[in-house]
Amino acid sequence: KAGVTQTPRYLIKTRGQQVTLSCSPISGHRSVSWYQQTPGQGLQFLFEYFSETQRNKGNFPGRFSGRQFSNSRSEMNVSTLELGDSALYLCASSPGTAYQETQYFGPGTRLLVL
Amino acid sequence: GESVGLHLPTLSVQEGDNSIINCAYSNSASDYFIWYKQESGKGPQFIIDIRSNMDKRQGQRVTVLLNKTVKHLSLQIAATQPGDSAVYFCAESDNAGNMLTFGGGTRLMVKP
Repeated sequence: KAGVTQTPRYLIKTRGQQVTLSCSPISGHRSVSWYQQTPGQGLQFLFEYFSETQRNKGNFPGRFSGRQFSNSRSEMNVSTLELGDSALYLCASSPGTAYQETQYFGPGTRLLVL
Repeated sequence: GESVGLHLPTLSVQEGDNSIINCAYSNSASDYFIWYKQESGKGPQFIIDIRSNMDKRQGQRVTVLLNKTVKHLSLQIAATQPGDSAVYFCAESDNAGNMLTFGGGTRLMVKP
């Protein structure tokens, strides 16, 4: 099976802009989670989607949002970008049939905000 | 796990030696634990997991030990190889779904 794919791999934006990142889970996986990775804060959970519904949410401001489509593909959006949003954004998928499943990560999208 | 920010703890071992990477967690409600390996430029790669009803689990060249009394997790890698060089993260879940809380990471460097 193909792994988790994320597009684009790299992005450069300026403050105040918005950005949309895309994640395609492993075929058959219905749960998609997003994480932000920075040198200062490490890996932090953003949110999880299952069957097009947000199932869990981390402690991030409302500028961070996401959605999931009927084919389980997911997008996350960050509006009004700030310098501190520069990070590696990681998507992980799991089957979604039970809690606490193994999550498989994609390569990430590296976002640089100037 | 605790975030250690920019300065990751580093473990340097000789090729062929065994490595032990440690992780402390703070949430006593956590009952599922995972170790991930992250190489430069890549996403975290699943290594092994363990549930709280176990205190040891073995995989290929890796063993995870869980001590719930002191909230400590360790990853043992046998016969460490240069390809094991990476940053290793522990992650925990407290049955609130698929949300993982990650530790700060440990950099493993394998000297040939």
